[in-house]
Amino acid sequence: EPEVTQTPSHQVTQMGQEVILRCVPISNHLYFYWYRQILGQKVEFLVSFYNNEISEKSEIFDDQFSVERPDGSNFTLKIRSTKLEDSAMYFCAGRGPTDTQYFGPGTRLTVL
Amino acid sequence: QQQVKQSPQSLIVQKGGISIINCAYENTAFDYFPWYQQFPGKGPALLIAIRPDVSEKKEGRFTISFNKSAKQFSLHIMDSQPGDSATYFCAPSADKLIFGTGTRLQVFP
Repeated sequence: EPEVTQTPSHQVTQMGQEVILRCVPISNHLYFYWYRQILGQKVEFLVSFYNNEISEKSEIFDDQFSVERPDGSNFTLKIRSTKLEDSAMYFCAGRGPTDTQYFGPGTRLTVL
Repeated sequence: QQQVKQSPQSLIVQKGGISIINCAYENTAFDYFPWYQQFPGKGPALLIAIRPDVSEKKEGRFTISFNKSAKQFSLHIMDSQPGDSATYFCAPSADKLIFGTGTRLQVFP
């Protein structure tokens, strides 16, 4: 069964550094999402992406964040200058023509 | 309008018992009502979902009940098993998922 994969599984970075979180969605999916989950809290929507452009973004997704699908298979989330409060689990999700979103295992980002 | 309230926050059930988790929403634009299950260290995984044109859907031991007029839907887990111990999220959607606060279910043998 195809799965969404994410790398790295854990990223530790210093405050102010740039990080890139990578996702490989299921191959026939067309709609892509990033969510985050601060430890012990609910999952929050960050951004949706379709047809190589952002469809919708939340208030969390400010100018420090960007997304890209550079080569038709990878889907990346970049945080330009990380803050302590960016520490969270980041989940990539994708869907095809149905409503079901399939989530990756997540990347744990720790900002020191 | 995007608020999603989920209850209870935690639930302890004996093996074989029934687990019931509730979700209330405000946004009438939601047209897809899933429940996700999450184990520690893993991403959320779809458990069961319903569309607003039906009031109930059953898949094995899992049932969603949907009340459109009350803007509520619930998850029932029959014959709860220790392997069901996880965190459950409702996540109504009109594209992006709006997650509830989660219910930590513990099923004891």
